[in-house]
Amino acid sequence: DGGITQSPKYLFRKEGQNVTLSCEQNLNHDAMYWYRQDPGQGLRLIYYSQIVNDFQKGDIAEGYSVSREKKESFPLTVTSAQKNPTAFYLCASSIGDSTYEQYFGPGTRLTVT
Amino acid sequence: AQKITQTQPGMFVQEKEAVTLDCTYDTSDQSYGLFWYKQPSSGEMIFLIYQGSYDEQNATEGRYSLNFQKARKSANLVISASQLGDSAMYFCAMREPYTGGFKTIFGAGTRLFVKA
Repeated sequence: DGGITQSPKYLFRKEGQNVTLSCEQNLNHDAMYWYRQDPGQGLRLIYYSQIVNDFQKGDIAEGYSVSREKKESFPLTVTSAQKNPTAFYLCASSIGDSTYEQYFGPGTRLTVT
Repeated sequence: AQKITQTQPGMFVQEKEAVTLDCTYDTSDQSYGLFWYKQPSSGEMIFLIYQGSYDEQNATEGRYSLNFQKARKSANLVISASQLGDSAMYFCAMREPYTGGFKTIFGAGTRLFVKA
């Protein structure tokens, strides 16, 4: 089955620690995205990557970092510089850039205390 | 400035009836795309339907149709014959130009409750 996997589903961290969220896809998609969703709100773009070894900041990139060393993988690191990291994080991919619909993973709910 | 507006935080519909979820957008581009996604309580976003700005016909996908009124900048989602499984959050989204390509921006969503 083709799709996007995110792990873990729930993640708990202490304030001041960096944490990396995993995102893997086997759809052979070129573009990948990270979004943040806060309660009662829509999705906000953190980072996106159109091809391997290239990525661009989205609207709320501060306190986050990414890498795209392989086409299948787009991990997101939430650093201690992120002021309010507790949120639901969704990874997505698409065939090309946002011209096409995006396919989403199941999400990771991060809680930082 | 808000580019995607969904004015209905919550909607109720009786099972087997049709329901319309509103979406208005703001863009100065001539070429753009509009999407609707469904988010069940599990959290995963599911693509439902797409409408291109140059498409003359309203998009349809099974029980979903998009009522596209370009002059009014609205792209309402119509769900026919509602089912209990349609209870979820629904997000309207728009593709717009961004650094080096395009990005998709999302509205705040509408929560739909289907009553038995």
